[in-house]
Amino acid sequence: GAVVSQHPSWVICKSGTSVKIECRSLDFQATTMFWYRQFPKQSLMLMATSNEGSKATYEQGVEKDKFLINHASLTLSTLTVTSAHPEDSSFYICSALLGGTEAFFGQGTRLTVV
Amino acid sequence: QKEVEQDPGPLSVPEGAIVSLNCTYSNSAFQYFMWYRQYSRKGPELLMYTYSSGNKEDGRFTAQVDKSSKYISLFIRDSQPSDSATYLCAMTRSSNDYKLSFGAGTTVTVRA
Repeated sequence: GAVVSQHPSWVICKSGTSVKIECRSLDFQATTMFWYRQFPKQSLMLMATSNEGSKATYEQGVEKDKFLINHASLTLSTLTVTSAHPEDSSFYICSALLGGTEAFFGQGTRLTVV
Repeated sequence: QKEVEQDPGPLSVPEGAIVSLNCTYSNSAFQYFMWYRQYSRKGPELLMYTYSSGNKEDGRFTAQVDKSSKYISLFIRDSQPSDSATYLCAMTRSSNDYKLSFGAGTTVTVRA
């Protein structure tokens, strides 16, 4: 199957700093990628839809100035958590659409803000 | 009320048992249904994809959809310890609507 890779797998950062998470489709091109957030024992919550070459579409309640998304190429989307706070600590997962039909997920990034 | 309800478990079964998982949903617009498996600290991987009421079988896995009751199920036959994971149901409104609505996931442990 298609491979989507996230980097880093885990990161610890200090409050007030920014963290960038990368999502790469390794063996296919993806014009559309998605970013999710997952709290323990809770479902994946869609944060935003990332489209190559255009602005991301954010879900209601997601601060676009805090969660910056850039989809500069057909194989890479980045999520930057700006001015991170402890409540931003979570598991962030991306997915990429293959052929516009099936979504493949990355392995996730565990963010801990201290 | 959440759009998709799924009992988080946990569910513990002996090896070889049948695992039964289910989700209910409130939005009748959902037409496409998926089951994902997620191992600890990993991203979800697609197990089954269905769009019509009835059963779909793939090896030891059977997905069942009852749109009239807004109820979907996943059955795992002859469960193995390697099936221990969290299983998430997901659904969407149309084949080209890729914004998935997920259940909370059910954590399953298969005891050797």
